[in-house]
Amino acid sequence: QQPVQSPQAVILREGEDAVINCSSSKALYSVHWYRQKHGEAPVFLMILLKGGEQKGHEKISASFNEKKQQSSLYLTASQLSYSGTYFCGTEKEETSGSRLTFGEGTQLTVNP
Amino acid sequence: KAGVTQTPRYLIKTRGQQVTLSCSPISGHRSVSWYQQTPGQGLQFLFEYFSETQRNKGNFPGRFSGRQFSNSRSEMNVSTLELGDSALYLCASSLAVTDTQYFGPGTRLTVL
Repeated sequence: QQPVQSPQAVILREGEDAVINCSSSKALYSVHWYRQKHGEAPVFLMILLKGGEQKGHEKISASFNEKKQQSSLYLTASQLSYSGTYFCGTEKEETSGSRLTFGEGTQLTVNP
Repeated sequence: KAGVTQTPRYLIKTRGQQVTLSCSPISGHRSVSWYQQTPGQGLQFLFEYFSETQRNKGNFPGRFSGRQFSNSRSEMNVSTLELGDSALYLCASSLAVTDTQYFGPGTRLTVL
């Protein structure tokens, strides 16, 4: 089942902060965050694993609430380059099935 | 290290034809996954290969098939193309099955 992302879209001014949420109804093993700019491939930002391990870029922070099966991506002091569509991809605990199930995406626009 | 490469980048086919897309993973990566991205359906998982074996398969008809070679390169094939198959097909590679996935630039398929 597809994770639900919120908000669907957000517009910021440079320097402002934003939070993007990703919720699943299934027990998750991991949550992966990607950013995709128009016409380009998704770029890996961060992976959060059950148990608290995180791997990703230093300037990006995120959390994973295992009880709620919810992850949040925190974008602070936004820059123009942060504009794009953010996807969360979730991986279930079961070993079979889809590799990553992606949310519909959150479109982030950062204006000067 | 070279990233994931996909060929061709653009393809135009007509209904009923078949098409083969190629993906070369990052050197050392043994897992390759394929995704279809469309404006209406978003990013959807097609299948995943690890060490030449299909490990997972998404919810797509049998017209979509794939394989992986001993050098980890992968191909996907779509037979009897339909208009709805027009999409960006993305390949992603990872070291291991549950590791971070890195996406290639994609193949833009247009079916007329």
